[in-house]
Amino acid sequence: AQKITQTQPGMFVQEKEAVTLDCTYDTSDQSYGLFWYKQPSSGEMIFLIYQGSYDEQNATEGRYSLNFQKARKSANLVISASQLGDSAMYFCAMRAHGGSQGNLIFGKGTKLSVKP
Amino acid sequence: GAVVSQHPSRVICKSGTSVKIECRSLDFQATTMFWYRQFPKKSLMLMATSNEGSKATYEQGVEKDKFLINHASLTLSTLTVTSAHPEDSSFYICSAMNNEQFFGPGTRLTVL
Repeated sequence: AQKITQTQPGMFVQEKEAVTLDCTYDTSDQSYGLFWYKQPSSGEMIFLIYQGSYDEQNATEGRYSLNFQKARKSANLVISASQLGDSAMYFCAMRAHGGSQGNLIFGKGTKLSVKP
Repeated sequence: GAVVSQHPSRVICKSGTSVKIECRSLDFQATTMFWYRQFPKKSLMLMATSNEGSKATYEQGVEKDKFLINHASLTLSTLTVTSAHPEDSSFYICSAMNNEQFFGPGTRLTVL
């Protein structure tokens, strides 16, 4: 069975500092994709970054980078130079590429609070 | 990125009534849409996969007669919560596939 684990219910970070949000996953599939989404208090799910299981380089998107360690089955999100607007829930998600219709499996989320 | 809308954004209804939530892909065609449910401070749980022109595929434990899904066109899927009860109160989010998943803004349902 596929599973996403986020062990940090809540995290605090000082503005302008970097923060790492943990995510580990479990799957028997060889081909899969890993995603991070941001959900502010308004509720919409905002796509941040994607890492494919066969991608050799860690994904980066602006201040977001994904620390992909395949052997450890971890896909941690690193946010550099935190801003007050980064305060939100962050969800790690996985999608299997084989045999599924593309639905995502989500972790329980981490609530990030950025302190001024 | 692609735009997905949901209507209504908030709805309050009486117990026993039915509520319809619309999910539209505004600038692309989506043969597959997904419906998720999110309880307060919880993660998103997939309820069903909506396929244009065919029956929806429901996840285990989701009552298909209670949560009716219709995907009548390539840009519209609807979720109807029939005979709503207070325990159906939740945040419902749809997403549409266009190579990747794009999420709607969500609908907050409150059943009194």
